[in-house]
Amino acid sequence: SQQGEEDPQALSIQEGENATMNCSYKTSINNLQWYRQNSGRGLVHLILIRSNEREKHSGRLRVTLDTSKKSSSLLITASRAADTASYFCATDVSGNTPLVFGKGTRLSVIA
Amino acid sequence: NAGVTQTPKFQVLKTGQSMTLQCAQDMNHNSMYWYRQDPGMGLRLIYYSASEGTTDKGEVPNGYNVSRLNKREFSLRLESAAPSQTSVYFCASNDQGAGTNEKLFFGSGTQLSVL
Repeated sequence: SQQGEEDPQALSIQEGENATMNCSYKTSINNLQWYRQNSGRGLVHLILIRSNEREKHSGRLRVTLDTSKKSSSLLITASRAADTASYFCATDVSGNTPLVFGKGTRLSVIA
Repeated sequence: NAGVTQTPKFQVLKTGQSMTLQCAQDMNHNSMYWYRQDPGMGLRLIYYSASEGTTDKGEVPNGYNVSRLNKREFSLRLESAAPSQTSVYFCASNDQGAGTNEKLFFGSGTQLSVL
């Protein structure tokens, strides 16, 4: 069964606005990763945050991790139409177990 | 920079037919994976190979077999295809183990329809 669950399932915003997606998971994790999938394509890695980290930045992306609440958020600032995609969180319970993906959030950025 | 290469990109099968999906990576990764993606279900792990010579079941292994042919190649076989196996299949690879699970690199997917 899926470990992570993204919220909301779908999100529609105007270009220039910020987009926030959340991921909740059930058990302790080793690390949490976020991926993007454009329609009809494979997934592309965005950012990895380890269980002992609380926040990471990469360009317009900001990821937070709250292990006490078993949750993570992905913030995309100043969104662009090209950010339209599905976003997935993935977790592993140890470095020796495979990543397990959530069902994803579909983001639509309207120009 | 080929990364992860999957073939074929599209396939239509009749119920009961067999086929093999091929996957190869050129990044010298030790771990390889097969996922399936169905609408509204996200990605679910079918089988994985943590290192050359080993394979393990994932969440949805029934109806599939895998072969880790060498470090580069990991194939997925459907022995007797069923309509429930209609899906998009993704191969992925990474370096895993020794306390770390690095980022996955994905192929472009195989869209399989079983009639």
